[in-house]
Amino acid sequence: QVQLVESGGGVVQPGGSLRLSCVASGFTFSRFGIHWLRQAPGKGLEWLTFIRKDASDKYYSDSVKGRFTVSRDNSENAAYLQMNSLTTEDTAMYYCARTGLTRNWFDPWGQGTLVTVSS
Amino acid sequence: EIVMTQSPATLSVSPGERVTLSCRAGQSVGNSLAWYQQKLGQAPRLLIYGASTRATGVPARFSGSGSGTEFTLTISSLQAEDFAIYYCQQYDNWPPLTFAGGTRVEIK
Repeated sequence: QVQLVESGGGVVQPGGSLRLSCVASGFTFSRFGIHWLRQAPGKGLEWLTFIRKDASDKYYSDSVKGRFTVSRDNSENAAYLQMNSLTTEDTAMYYCARTGLTRNWFDPWGQGTLVTVSS
Repeated sequence: EIVMTQSPATLSVSPGERVTLSCRAGQSVGNSLAWYQQKLGQAPRLLIYGASTRATGVPARFSGSGSGTEFTLTISSLQAEDFAIYYCQQYDNWPPLTFAGGTRVEIK
């Protein structure tokens, strides 16, 4: 079945860095764009970034532009989110999601990986 | 940025009742609107895209309607497993892709 599995979350100090991974299975990874989203504790959903299927285009939300970098390795069926200059405001569950067949809805989502920024 | 809003924030409903959730876009998004369901401790799940097309495996009791700036998600007869938070999301004009704040459907 179509599946995305995130990993790499953990506890990091303010100003630190973390790299998240999203490994895909059950579909041809190189045919789909991938989004990263997050959800702060008790809060709603926030879109962060998108990488096109061939990595030719990348888009970022203003909240992470210049600090986060999205990448992918189609040979490994994986996408990555490099997060630098983390602040307590970045504490959240981070999800990767596949883009829709023709437009940018999110389906499916991974189970998420928790990032906690704390001293 | 297109601002999305949902109402009400919380809805108390009895099993078997019909439920109507509303979503409003700050400007027209055509039919580029998706709905998601998120149960406690789980990732969101796509229910509806294109404002009215059910995703694969979504029960027929879920239906979406609307276009432009006003959208509705209807659950025809609420089941126990439907108690969750529901989010709408626009994908017409981006970046950024934007969500509304969600409606929590709780047991009355």
